[in-house]
Amino acid sequence: GQQVMQIPQYQHVQEGEDFTTYCNSSTTLSNIQWYKQRPGGHPVFLIQLVKSGEVKKQKRLTFQFGEAKKNSSLHITATQTTDVGTYFCAALDNYGQNFVFGPGTRLSVLP
Amino acid sequence: EAQVTQNPRYLITVTGKKLTVTCSQNMNHEYMSWYRQDPGLGLRQIYYSMNVEVTDKGDVPEGYKVSRKEKRNFPLILESPSPNQTSLYFCASSLSGGGETQYFGPGTRLLVL
Repeated sequence: GQQVMQIPQYQHVQEGEDFTTYCNSSTTLSNIQWYKQRPGGHPVFLIQLVKSGEVKKQKRLTFQFGEAKKNSSLHITATQTTDVGTYFCAALDNYGQNFVFGPGTRLSVLP
Repeated sequence: EAQVTQNPRYLITVTGKKLTVTCSQNMNHEYMSWYRQDPGLGLRQIYYSMNVEVTDKGDVPEGYKVSRKEKRNFPLILESPSPNQTSLYFCASSLSGGGETQYFGPGTRLLVL
């Protein structure tokens, strides 16, 4: 089945530093979603990307969909302790019915 | 308030003792799904349902059953739980599947001894 990879698995940053997580697939993706899961919480939808090369921003978060639609990235500028959590990307499977989740990137922010 | 609810939130059981985890959504969503979350593996789909009386296997369906008799409810059934089913389980729903935003329940942490 379709596989979605994410790197890095873990990232520790000092508060104020930037952070980037990458999502990669061997196949072309129709769309991709990003979710955030706080420690002890449940995944919460952040954004969906559909178009090749698409860039979307949410305050300090910038999401990008690759030109070939095989990869995506989430960049956080000037991290804050509230950014702590695990960030998942999810890609629609080949049948267009279900999302396949990546393993996630766990972000720790040191104050 | 629009939400997905799961019960119980925490459960400790023994091998072979049948259990059911309930999931309910109040958003009139057609699509519902169950995931399990294990360290380093992310969220893996167990079963999903596109509508009432329509269910299908996800990536890891072995050892699980589901039913969708009503639109709002999607229970997960473990007929004979085993220790390898110890995990964190999430129910999710979306308007119609296929690219729609998924709303997740709070999770059920299951320990099978």
